[in-house]
Amino acid sequence: GENVEQHPSTLSVQEGDSAVIKCTYSDSASNYFPWYKQELGKGPQLIIDIRSNVGEKKDQRIAVTLNKTAKHFSLHITETQPEDSAVYFCAALRGGTYKYIFGTGTRLKVLA
Amino acid sequence: GAGVSQSPRYKVAKRGQDVALRCDPISGHVSLFWYQQALGQGPEFLTYFQNEAQLDKSGLPSDRFFAERPEGSVSTLKIQRTQQEDSAVYLCASSLVDFNSPLHFGNGTRLTVT
Repeated sequence: GENVEQHPSTLSVQEGDSAVIKCTYSDSASNYFPWYKQELGKGPQLIIDIRSNVGEKKDQRIAVTLNKTAKHFSLHITETQPEDSAVYFCAALRGGTYKYIFGTGTRLKVLA
Repeated sequence: GAGVSQSPRYKVAKRGQDVALRCDPISGHVSLFWYQQALGQGPEFLTYFQNEAQLDKSGLPSDRFFAERPEGSVSTLKIQRTQQEDSAVYLCASSLVDFNSPLHFGNGTRLTVT
């Protein structure tokens, strides 16, 4: 079946450094790629998303890049802060469908 | 409402008991999803509603799981004769339209079956 691989599973960075999380998808018909941040005891919150007709999208300290040829997309967080510590999930959605495929998550720790 | 609301936040059930989990989606959202999230894993699809119609229940693990959304707003996920393997966080999400629309998640119900 379709799947999304996410790496790394855990990531520790010093405050102020950058963090990069990568995902690879298998379904070439996927055309929407959201990223979610999940804090302890809460549900996933959408932080940024990208559609297949663009290669990069930025929102302040967060950016997402998409390489459709290689079928991978990445989340970039710059100038990390302790409040960025959470579990991050990527997901992929096939065009014209509703069934998201989620990655297995990355636990990010920002060390003060 | 301001967001997706789920209740209860925590539920402890003895094996064999029935449980009912409630989801209040964002007002006006057409689509409603239930996901199951095991510890340390991503959300796994259970079922999908478009208004009151349950269009996909392919992710429900067994016939002990049942979901409904009778008036196209509030939804209930019911688990009969709970088993220990049912222990997980159950997430509800809604989206404005049907396809390619961002999901808005609730904070989930943590179910523990003892």
